[in-house]
Amino acid sequence: GAVVSQHPSWVICKSGTSVKIECRSLDFQATTMFWYRQFPKQSLMLMATSNEGSKATYEQGVEKDKFLINHASLTLSTLTVTSAHPEDSSFYICSATGTSGRIYGEQFFGPGTRLTVL
Amino acid sequence: GNSVTQMEGPVTLSEEAFLTINCTYTATGYPSLFWYVQYPGEGLQLLLKATKADDKGSNKGFEATYRKETTSFHLEKGSVQVSDSAVYFCALVKHNNNDMRFGAGTRLTVKP
Repeated sequence: GAVVSQHPSWVICKSGTSVKIECRSLDFQATTMFWYRQFPKQSLMLMATSNEGSKATYEQGVEKDKFLINHASLTLSTLTVTSAHPEDSSFYICSATGTSGRIYGEQFFGPGTRLTVL
Repeated sequence: GNSVTQMEGPVTLSEEAFLTINCTYTATGYPSLFWYVQYPGEGLQLLLKATKADDKGSNKGFEATYRKETTSFHLEKGSVQVSDSAVYFCALVKHNNNDMRFGAGTRLTVKP
């Protein structure tokens, strides 16, 4: 149990276009989902936290108008990178946590999405 | 604030060598502690965890003990394999708080 999927696993797009990344919890209800960004050979940096049905809370320095997060259901959150530029190229990882049958605060991670902006 | 400091890599070992990756934390209260592993091109996989002092997490031959007195959660394995080559992240999360903090990651390469 506790499987989180991401789609797509990789995407290449042209500069100026928008890209949507989906994060799904497959076998549990994810009351909270997290979006991380990972640059090559670096650690994960939290971008935002989203609770189902609420607006996402963004970390300092993350542009909320550029990285649109929607968490409309208990099993799906989406991250849309708007008007992507080459500096947005990165590995984006989502995670999810629920409130039943698990140690509180444990996050289950998706496999990541590699975004390359040309 | 809460933070995790882990041994910088990269670490290169020969197969069957002993592994230690140090991790220390700073947190108020009693956080839960985790080790995650990331294989090339993949997301994070939970390796082991411990939720209270003196707990020992173990999985796939890896172990880590929650040491409150030294605020540490060092990862150890008695005999590493080539397949253990990956990046290892130490992390903490406080109870009643979803805010997870990661260490910088330690890249391990095991050579045959």
